[in-house]
Amino acid sequence: GNSVTQMEGPVTLSEEAFLTINCTYTATGYPSLFWYVQYPGEGLQLLLKATKADDKGSNKGFEATYRKETTSFHLEKGSVQVSDSAVYFCALLKDDKIIFGKGTRLHILP
Amino acid sequence: NAGVTQTPKFRVLKTGQSMTLLCAQDMNHEYMYWYRQDPGMGLRLIHYSVGEGTTAKGEVPDGYNVSRLKKQNFLLGLESAAPSQTSVYFCASRGPGTGGRETQYFGPGTRLLVL
Repeated sequence: GNSVTQMEGPVTLSEEAFLTINCTYTATGYPSLFWYVQYPGEGLQLLLKATKADDKGSNKGFEATYRKETTSFHLEKGSVQVSDSAVYFCALLKDDKIIFGKGTRLHILP
Repeated sequence: NAGVTQTPKFRVLKTGQSMTLLCAQDMNHEYMYWYRQDPGMGLRLIHYSVGEGTTAKGEVPDGYNVSRLKKQNFLLGLESAAPSQTSVYFCASRGPGTGGRETQYFGPGTRLLVL
């Protein structure tokens, strides 16, 4: 079946560091791919998405590129801020179902 | 435009009791979803709907039922609650967002404790 695997956390970085959170997927065909962010006590917010191979999604300084050859959609940010501390979820949409990874908690230290 | 709302925000049940969680969206979206979120497990899909009058099973449907009698509402029912159903439940809808591009919106969640 379709599934998403993302790196386990927590990930702890200093402010202004470079961020990478790895995400790989298993799916038949060509799913759409997403990154969501969840701040403490809140629901999920869509951060960025890509709908076909080689698409790059971007938002708020975050980027991710849909790599069909490696079935990956890694999240990156060049310079993180304390306000980026949250849980990040990678997800795919296939056959009307949105399937999530287990989430990666990110801590940014001032 | 309230987006996706969930009722109630928090509930405590005793084992064997029943309850219904309500999800409402005012964006005229066709697709709606119910998830549960547990520590270390991420979000797991319980049931979903592709339109009014339709429902389908997700990854973890056992112990839950759903109904989509009206397009704007998606109800999640627990007929006989069990402690294993203690979780945070999130509803989501999917459809055109700002600017017409498809997007997904999540509700704020319902925290359920089954004793």
